[in-house]
Amino acid sequence: KNQVEQSPQSLIILEGKNCTLQCNYTVSPFSNLRWYKQDTGRGPVSLTIMTFSENTKSNGRYTATLDADTKQSSLHITASQLSDSASYICVVSRYNQGGKLIFGQGTELSVKP
Amino acid sequence: DGGITQSPKYLFRKEGQNVTLSCEQNLNHDAMYWYRQDPGQGLRLIYYSQIVNDFQKGDIAEGYSVSREKKESFPLTVTSAQKNPTAFYLCASSNPGDPSSYNSPLHFGNGTRLTVT
Repeated sequence: KNQVEQSPQSLIILEGKNCTLQCNYTVSPFSNLRWYKQDTGRGPVSLTIMTFSENTKSNGRYTATLDADTKQSSLHITASQLSDSASYICVVSRYNQGGKLIFGQGTELSVKP
Repeated sequence: DGGITQSPKYLFRKEGQNVTLSCEQNLNHDAMYWYRQDPGQGLRLIYYSQIVNDFQKGDIAEGYSVSREKKESFPLTVTSAQKNPTAFYLCASSNPGDPSSYNSPLHFGNGTRLTVT
């Protein structure tokens, strides 16, 4: 079954600290993996995208990694800010499936002062 | 600025009533999508449209209907047949019309929260 599982479900960290969010998937055939950030009451916004040939991709303080062999991805946030408080969603695309996307359930991150 | 506008932001309806959620985009995107978001679950695809006057069912289309008469607009009607309509509804668009494409992320609106009592 094609699934995307994210962990932890929720996370609380202090401002300035780093954190890492996990995404495991069983989607096949794999095309690419994208991380979205969703602020409360807003729509998701794309942060990064990686194909199987890319191991790491950065976007400012956000760094995503991908291990296509173990089917795992992580999103590392450096020097967290209050504005990082949001839900982070991992989305995996199936190759040649007409745009079929498999969404994870998201990790709810709360950054406290 | 280009973007997707969903309205209203909050919507309250009585059980048994149909309700229509608006979605308008000025990104000149060909493809538009409707997703449903429930707590603790991933987004689920309701309907999508790759081109004007054409649309396809997604994974959870029962109890919903859509139309695509204009490129900019993709309204979603939640009918009384939808058994559990209370949810956060997200409209999205992409260009080209394959959101799995490397260069084609989904652009989302800010959602409509529908509450049916």
